[in-house]
Amino acid sequence: AQTVTQSQPEMSVQEAETVTLSCTYDTSESNYYLFWYKQPPSRQMILVIRQEAYKQQNATENRFSVNFQKAAKSFSLKISDSQLGDTAMYFCACFLNYGGSQGNLIFGKGTKLSVKP
Amino acid sequence: DSGVTQTPKHLITATGQRVTLRCSPRSGDLSVYWYQQSLDQGLQFLIQYYNGEERAKGNILERFSAQQFPDLHSELNLSSLELGDSALYFCASSSNPSGQENEKLFFGSGTQLSVL
Repeated sequence: AQTVTQSQPEMSVQEAETVTLSCTYDTSESNYYLFWYKQPPSRQMILVIRQEAYKQQNATENRFSVNFQKAAKSFSLKISDSQLGDTAMYFCACFLNYGGSQGNLIFGKGTKLSVKP
Repeated sequence: DSGVTQTPKHLITATGQRVTLRCSPRSGDLSVYWYQQSLDQGLQFLIQYYNGEERAKGNILERFSAQQFPDLHSELNLSSLELGDSALYFCASSSNPSGQENEKLFFGSGTQLSVL
């Protein structure tokens, strides 16, 4: 079975500081992608960052970057210069591409991040 | 705005009833995914459709069914509702015909279902 594990249910960080959210995953598939989604209090699911598993280079999107360790099946999210608007639930997710237009996005349980002024 | 539209936003109903949730994918997207989000189970994948055909099935109960119509909108039907079915139901779409970044799912704002 494919699983995504986020071991930190809650975290907090001071505004302008840096925080890292952890995620590990387990899959036997070779064709997959990794994501971080953000869910603010509005409950909208917002794509933060995406990583192709076949790429060694870590993805970066402005203040958001990942540390992708394929052998360790680890995929952490670093948020630099944290802002109050970053307060949200963050979900790590793994998209399994089975081919033939068949896919499945599996989510971790989430980490609730609070940015404090 | 993700471009994915879900209706209704809120739904309150009683146990034993049947409801239909509707999803319109982003323009051009062929795949529709349904997810259930509850406090105890987190985000659970229910089912995926691609261009009208079922492609993948997750933890979907037999009381639940879905379909995707020729215009690519999708409906999730929940019947014999129980208290435990109360949750936020998300629809997501992907897979535009260009074939680019088909693994990126764009989510609607969800339908909050409350079963009383």
